[in-house]
Amino acid sequence: SAVISQKPSRDICQRGTSLTIQCQVDSQVTMMFWYRQQPGQSLTLIATANQGSEATYESGFVIDKFPISRPNLTFSTLTVSNMSPEDSSIYLCSVLGLASQETQYFGPGTRLLVL
Amino acid sequence: GENVEQHPSTLSVQEGDSAVIKCTYSDSASNYFPWYKQELGKRPQLIIDIRSNVGEKKDQRIAVTLNKTAKHFSLHITETQPEDSAVYFCAASLNSGYSTLTFGKGTMLLVSP
Repeated sequence: SAVISQKPSRDICQRGTSLTIQCQVDSQVTMMFWYRQQPGQSLTLIATANQGSEATYESGFVIDKFPISRPNLTFSTLTVSNMSPEDSSIYLCSVLGLASQETQYFGPGTRLLVL
Repeated sequence: GENVEQHPSTLSVQEGDSAVIKCTYSDSASNYFPWYKQELGKRPQLIIDIRSNVGEKKDQRIAVTLNKTAKHFSLHITETQPEDSAVYFCAASLNSGYSTLTFGKGTMLLVSP
């Protein structure tokens, strides 16, 4: 089965700095998504990463804060910019198109702590 | 947009009992309903899913039922085991070319030996 990896797996950052999270899939996928999961909470979709064009952001999330790239069909990055402690969360990528055009599979997540 | 409500938020059962988690959705056009299991510190894993043209689906001890008229779907786990302890999330999707999932808030299931 396909492997979805994320780097880094965890990080501790200072407020005001930025962190770029990478998501790599070992086979081509149709769609890639980025989610945030705050401690003890559900998964909230940040944006859909579109290959070759600007990401599609959900309400409450903006490109200046969460710039996203997707240069090809197997790789995407999410940057958390100008971080504050409220950005402490788990960030997960998910992919669509491995087994079907409906089922999303998740990466292992990146645990971010902002001090 | 879609809104998914999930109940209960926590569920404690004895090993061997059955567990039922219920979700309702708001958009009658939603047609795909997956369930994910998330163990502590792990990624969400798909355990079962159902499409709107099916009323029930089973996979060993796990089953999902869907009532399109009432816009609700449920996860049933029979003969629960301690390793079933986890957070379970339901989700709904409107598959219009690509799927964005709307998740419920999750149910923490605790199975006591």
